[in-house]
Amino acid sequence: GAVVSQHPSWVICKSGTSVKIECRSLDFQATTMFWYRQFPKQSLMLMATSNEGSKATYEQGVEKDKFLINHASLTLSTLTVTSAHPEDSSFYICSARDRTSGRYYNEQFFGPGTRLTVL
Amino acid sequence: SQQGEEDPQALSIQEGENATMNCSYKTSINNLQWYRQNSGRGLVHLILIRSNEREKHSGRLRVTLDTSKKSSSLLITASRAADTASYFCAGTNNNDMRFGAGTRLTVKP
Repeated sequence: GAVVSQHPSWVICKSGTSVKIECRSLDFQATTMFWYRQFPKQSLMLMATSNEGSKATYEQGVEKDKFLINHASLTLSTLTVTSAHPEDSSFYICSARDRTSGRYYNEQFFGPGTRLTVL
Repeated sequence: SQQGEEDPQALSIQEGENATMNCSYKTSINNLQWYRQNSGRGLVHLILIRSNEREKHSGRLRVTLDTSKKSSSLLITASRAADTASYFCAGTNNNDMRFGAGTRLTVKP
């Protein structure tokens, strides 16, 4: 299948700082990208969906001003956790889907995840 | 929000036994997928079953789908210690993919 990368794989930051996580589709055009959050021993919760060139759609209960999503190109989406606090510590996983007519049309591929620890 | 519930939440079996995990979902789907996740790691895609399919096999895996009951099951036969992981179902529709709560499987050697 296609490859989705995330960077960094882990990050530790101080409370109050902002952290940016990158998600890249390496061999296909990700017209749609998804960001999930996973707390320990829990499932993946969808945070937001973004279509390239458009504003992200956030799930209920997810603060759009705290979790800034940019999907400016067909291969890159970024999630910025602003003014991070310890309760934002979590495993963040991105996913990408090509909704055009490419080789991986409408399949969804996941990145390896980014572990964020806020001290 | 999550797609649905999975049961059991935790399952502990002996190596060689079969493991069955169930998943229920809430909304209509185009397909349903099962993933495995080792502790602290990313997702590994196991198998996809389309909404017009009822059963699918892949190696030691057998998946069933009942769209009338909005439920699916994953059977792992002849389990191994290396199968120890969390297993999630995820329903996909035209818009997104949402995950079930997951089952933590422990296979004792």
